[in-house]
Amino acid sequence: AQTVTQSQPEMSVQEAETVTLSCTYDTSESDYYLFWYKQPPSRQMILVIRQEAYKQQNATENRFSVNFQKAAKSFSLKISDSQLGDAAMYFCAYRKNTGNQFYFGTGTSLTVIP
Amino acid sequence: ETGVTQTPRHLVMGMTNKKSLKCEQHLGHNAMYWYKQSAKKPLELMFVYSLEERVENNSVPSRFSPECPNSSHLFLHLHTLQPEDSALYLCASSQVRTTGEQYFGPGTRLTVT
Repeated sequence: AQTVTQSQPEMSVQEAETVTLSCTYDTSESDYYLFWYKQPPSRQMILVIRQEAYKQQNATENRFSVNFQKAAKSFSLKISDSQLGDAAMYFCAYRKNTGNQFYFGTGTSLTVIP
Repeated sequence: ETGVTQTPRHLVMGMTNKKSLKCEQHLGHNAMYWYKQSAKKPLELMFVYSLEERVENNSVPSRFSPECPNSSHLFLHLHTLQPEDSALYLCASSQVRTTGEQYFGPGTRLTVT
């Protein structure tokens, strides 16, 4: 069964600094998708970044980038130049190439310190 | 309306009540999902409706019953709930046969008294 593990329940970062959130997953599939979602307090969950497993290049979206290590089954999120608006719960998610079932981690609560 | 909408946003119900949660997606997607979000737990997939499959999580009690009349609307009918069913219920949609990222609604905060 697919599982997604986020080992850091809480993280904090100074404004303008860089922080990395960890995620590991377990799968026997070779083709799949990985996602990071952000859920601000009392607000809607939104997609931050997506990585296709067949792509070797790490995905980047502005200040957000990932370190995808397929052999290690690791998918960490790096947030550069952290802003107050980055404070949220961050969820790592996995989806097989076939089917529509997503598997989410337990989340990491990120605090940004002014 | 844009994106994925959910009503009501908050619901307090007694254990003997019957209520329904509504979800509507305005994205032209062809798959919709119900999730249960409880503190310190992974999101729990409850139901999936898509062109290709209907998935039911076998651990979801029968007091939750979904209805998907078309690709834009999804309901979750609730009856004789228990206090442990109190949680945030999230609806999501996606387009199958693509990268398939999900778009979420704001959720319904359910409290069972």
